[in-house]
Amino acid sequence: EAQVTQNPRYLITVTGKKLTVTCSQNMNHEYMSWYRQDPGLGLRQIYYSMNVEVTDKGDVPEGYKVSRKEKRNFPLILESPSPNQTSLYFCASSYRTSGYNEQFFGPGTRLTVL
Amino acid sequence: AQKVTQAQTEISVVEKEDVTLDCVYETRDTTYYLFWYKQPPSGELVFLIRRNSFDEQNEISGRYSWNFQKSTSSFNFTITASQVVDSAVYFCALSEASRGTDKLIFGTGTRLQVFP
Repeated sequence: EAQVTQNPRYLITVTGKKLTVTCSQNMNHEYMSWYRQDPGLGLRQIYYSMNVEVTDKGDVPEGYKVSRKEKRNFPLILESPSPNQTSLYFCASSYRTSGYNEQFFGPGTRLTVL
Repeated sequence: AQKVTQAQTEISVVEKEDVTLDCVYETRDTTYYLFWYKQPPSGELVFLIRRNSFDEQNEISGRYSWNFQKSTSSFNFTITASQVVDSAVYFCALSEASRGTDKLIFGTGTRLQVFP
């Protein structure tokens, strides 16, 4: 089954404790990205990757890191989480980078930073 | 600047009523794509429709229909004879071809509550 998976689905952590949210897709998609969803703000892009070893900042990259060592995986790293990073996070992937393609979203990761 | 506006924060209707969710967008691109996603209470994002800027034909899919008007930069979504299962947050989104990426610019969403 074609899908984007994220782990963990729920996480409660404390300020400053490094964490990684994993994202994996099995569709051989080139383009992957991370979004965060906050009430009243919709979804905003954090980082994206056009292919292996090619990543770039989205609209709200502060406090986050990503890597793309393999085509299927695109982990989101919070080196020192803070309460303002409490949010619902979505990973997404798509075939190409033309703007046309439907993005496949993961199930979401609900993160709470205390 | 690119932007998507969903002015309706929350809408409540009674089952079987028709409801229209508004979406207004801003872009300087001549080639762009518009999307609607549904987010049910379970939280996942469900793709509903994609429209490109050169296709202004309205689309109907069952109880769902979409009205795309370039003259008013709007891409409105109508649910006919709403059902409780339609209760969700609905997002309108824009993607611009000139970016060379599939980045989506989302509106802030409209929460639809359908009461029995």
